[in-house]
Amino acid sequence: GAGVSQSPSNKVTEKGKDVELRCDPISGHTALYWYRQRLGQGLEFLIYFQGNSAPDKSGLPSDRFSAERTGESVSTLTIQRTQQEDSAVYLCASSRQGGPETQYFGPGTRLLVL
Amino acid sequence: GESVGLHLPTLSVQEGDNSIINCAYSNSASDYFIWYKQESGKGPQFIIDIRSNMDKRQGQRVTVLLNKTVKHLSLQIAATQPGDSAVYFCAEHNQGGKLIFGQGTELSVKP
Repeated sequence: GAGVSQSPSNKVTEKGKDVELRCDPISGHTALYWYRQRLGQGLEFLIYFQGNSAPDKSGLPSDRFSAERTGESVSTLTIQRTQQEDSAVYLCASSRQGGPETQYFGPGTRLLVL
Repeated sequence: GESVGLHLPTLSVQEGDNSIINCAYSNSASDYFIWYKQESGKGPQFIIDIRSNMDKRQGQRVTVLLNKTVKHLSLQIAATQPGDSAVYFCAEHNQGGKLIFGQGTELSVKP
């Protein structure tokens, strides 16, 4: 597609369950980012993939969070043993090369942990 | 994260007026800045960007001003329309490849 896509658009889960969120970046974009946005707040950086380099995981809030990326394609963000405070919108963005340039965002996945 | 509290600053303007949204950034070494618009239930949408070697950049109905002396960024929207109602975020890029986002400002346009 022309833009960044994410799935599912909404996810409701029970506390303690694992969830997997998917991001399809814009074709040809080598950089991919994950952010978390709590209700009424700004974007919190989680993780950054750039080509074949080791990802920047400095924003992951705990070891329950992990992400993978297949080459320069799809990425999945996994949250294990979800907690209620994980409820948020998870946004994915991609950019051509990474660094000082525009990031293009997907619509986000709205996660609700009951 | 960069955000504090649950309530975003709000700017309310009359349709047709000009809007100015302000942002203070944190790192004097930041080399790139960007404004995003986020409508309810959607992801952020690019509006305009500026590099640190510039102090002003204009787009269609929007202007970004950068004051590196006081680390301040502003977004000016001319002839604000109801469709401009959204939350506006500034973001800065410094070393490391990622953007650091500000808290956001909610713009409300009264018809």
